[in-house]
Amino acid sequence: ELKVEQNPLFLSMQEGKNYTIYCNYSTTSDRLYWYRQDPGKSLESLFVLLSNGAVKQEGRLMASLDTKARLSTLHITAAVHDLSATYFCAVENTGNQFYFGTGTSLTVIP
Amino acid sequence: GAGVSQSPRYKVAKRGQDVALRCDPISGHVSLFWYQQALGQGPEFLTYFQNEAQLDKSGLPSDRFFAERPEGSVSTLKIQRTQQEDSAVYLCASRQGPVNTEAFFGQGTRLTVV
Repeated sequence: ELKVEQNPLFLSMQEGKNYTIYCNYSTTSDRLYWYRQDPGKSLESLFVLLSNGAVKQEGRLMASLDTKARLSTLHITAAVHDLSATYFCAVENTGNQFYFGTGTSLTVIP
Repeated sequence: GAGVSQSPRYKVAKRGQDVALRCDPISGHVSLFWYQQALGQGPEFLTYFQNEAQLDKSGLPSDRFFAERPEGSVSTLKIQRTQQEDSAVYLCASRQGPVNTEAFFGQGTRLTVV
């Protein structure tokens, strides 16, 4: 079974700072997704990464995928309070199943 | 519709009661998934449909769980004889094609078994 690990699990960062969330997975896949979840809400799609070396950016968030290292990163630049949420990476296997990490709970403090 | 719609949003069931959770995917989406999300955890796969065909049900935790999508659109997840460990948020997702497209999630149904 495909295992997906995220770290850190909890992240408290000051506004204006940069940080990176890491997503490691256990078996070969070139399809990785990042989602955001606010408390009590559903999952909002952030990025779809479908090839080795893929890099996508939206606002203060940038995601990348290294399929050889089985690693994806979500980089946060100059954090703002609105980014406070839980972030999940999900890896898709050949059977179209999404395997989710345990999530990274991000709190941005003034 | 505009997004994936799930109903009810909240359900409280007495232990042993049967429940049915409904998912209306985005119109025209071929693939439909059900996930179970326990408090503080990531979603865990339950089952996957491509049109009306249930291609993977390996994540269903027991034979008390049953899902169907008879006409390839609306899906129902049924849980028989609910147990306390079934308490979770049940998320439905759909996507346009079978592969390589993003999945859109519904708001979920929060099931509490008392």
